[in-house]
Amino acid sequence: AQSVTQPDIHITVSEGASLELRCNYSYGATPYLFWYVQSPGQGLQLLLKYFSGDTLVQGIKGFEAEFKRSQSSFNLRKPSVHWSDAAEYFCAVKPNAGGTSYGKLTFGQGTILTVHP
Amino acid sequence: GAGVSQSPSNKVTEKGKDVELRCDPISGHTALYWYRQSLGQGLEFLIYFQGNSAPDKSGLPSDRFSAERTGGSVSTLTIQRTQQEDSAVYLCASSSGQGRPGEQFFGPGTRLTVL
Repeated sequence: AQSVTQPDIHITVSEGASLELRCNYSYGATPYLFWYVQSPGQGLQLLLKYFSGDTLVQGIKGFEAEFKRSQSSFNLRKPSVHWSDAAEYFCAVKPNAGGTSYGKLTFGQGTILTVHP
Repeated sequence: GAGVSQSPSNKVTEKGKDVELRCDPISGHTALYWYRQSLGQGLEFLIYFQGNSAPDKSGLPSDRFSAERTGGSVSTLTIQRTQQEDSAVYLCASSSGQGRPGEQFFGPGTRLTVL
């Protein structure tokens, strides 16, 4: 069965510092990969996604993620964190089965980001 | 442009009662998903509807949980004889299936508290 691991439950950074959130997945083949953000009391918002091609993916709000097949990882990065980035971040995978766009997401446990001024 | 909406936003019920949670997907989206977010279990898939195909119910935790999607649009998740462990935020998402991988758009969720 596929699984997603986010090793860091809680990360604290200072505003303006760089950020990297880790995500590792376990799956037989390369799945579709996603990062979502959830602000308190809000639903999930998609930051970026990886399907194929260039392994460095750009997303919204200045985030990027790099797919590394050899490490089964899809880490999220941001060069300079803003106070408004404080939220919970979820990595997710979806089977890449027959090219279909549908299918359930399997989520990691989430990483809570705190930003200090 | 309306996103995915869910109602109610909060629901408090007594153990043993039945509850219905509603999801209005984005107009034209053919796929609809239900997930549950709880402290102990994180975000879990529950059920998924796509067009006229039989729903994927593989994530439903027990036969107390059921869902239907009427007219290919609105969906209702029903929990019968609620238990305290059913307390969670229930999230609905919809997808158009356009592009790969198809993005799922999430609603704000319904927070269910079972006393």
